[in-house]
Amino acid sequence: DIQMTQSPSSLSASIRDRVTITCRASQNIRTYLNWYQQKPGKAPNLLIYAASSLQSGVPSRFSGSGSGTDFTLTITNLQPEDFATYYCQQSYKIPTTFGGGTKVDI
Amino acid sequence: EMRLLESGGGLAQRGGSLRLSCEGSGFTFSSYAMNWVRQAPGKGLEWVSGTSGSGNNTYYADSVKGRFTISRDNSKNTVFLQMNSLRVDDTAVYYCAKPRIVVVAAIPEFDLWGQGTLVSVSS
Repeated sequence: DIQMTQSPSSLSASIRDRVTITCRASQNIRTYLNWYQQKPGKAPNLLIYAASSLQSGVPSRFSGSGSGTDFTLTITNLQPEDFATYYCQQSYKIPTTFGGGTKVDI
Repeated sequence: EMRLLESGGGLAQRGGSLRLSCEGSGFTFSSYAMNWVRQAPGKGLEWVSGTSGSGNNTYYADSVKGRFTISRDNSKNTVFLQMNSLRVDDTAVYYCAKPRIVVVAAIPEFDLWGQGTLVSVSS
């Protein structure tokens, strides 16, 4: 199975900060990389698919980049509603696998 | 509005069985592969199983292979997860998830999730 490693596992940030989360795949997954946001007690919400495509309805302060094995989720101008846990997911090969998550708090 | 509604979770004994259901609405259910993803308390996301739109193709995580069975009834817009030989480490919130696009023999990103149903397995 493809292993997905996120870093950091948690970070503290302030409103209006720029936040960067990284995700590394154990093998080349081209751009088959997706990002989700999850708030406590809620289901995950798709933010970015295919490494850099913004899902409909997601604010433009979220962006993704990368290909191959190294990927980045960037949140610019962090807003109060962005404090949550973020997960990457590879959809290159079955079984699809998720990173361990990055918790963004104040 | 697209929706997924899970049911069937609850408390089970180790070695017991439960059957989860997920009813979809607001989209052409039979066109989409449907999946189950679980999240143990305080832990991350783990894909469990998926089935093609027709139900002819099924996929499982190694951790549940041989114990769980996914199926679907497209006439009722419902996907099921039959869970047998339950273990304590199967305790989790189980989410039903729809892929963003129609694909064959792949599991892409999920753009619609249910609210989740909690499965607790006691020893």
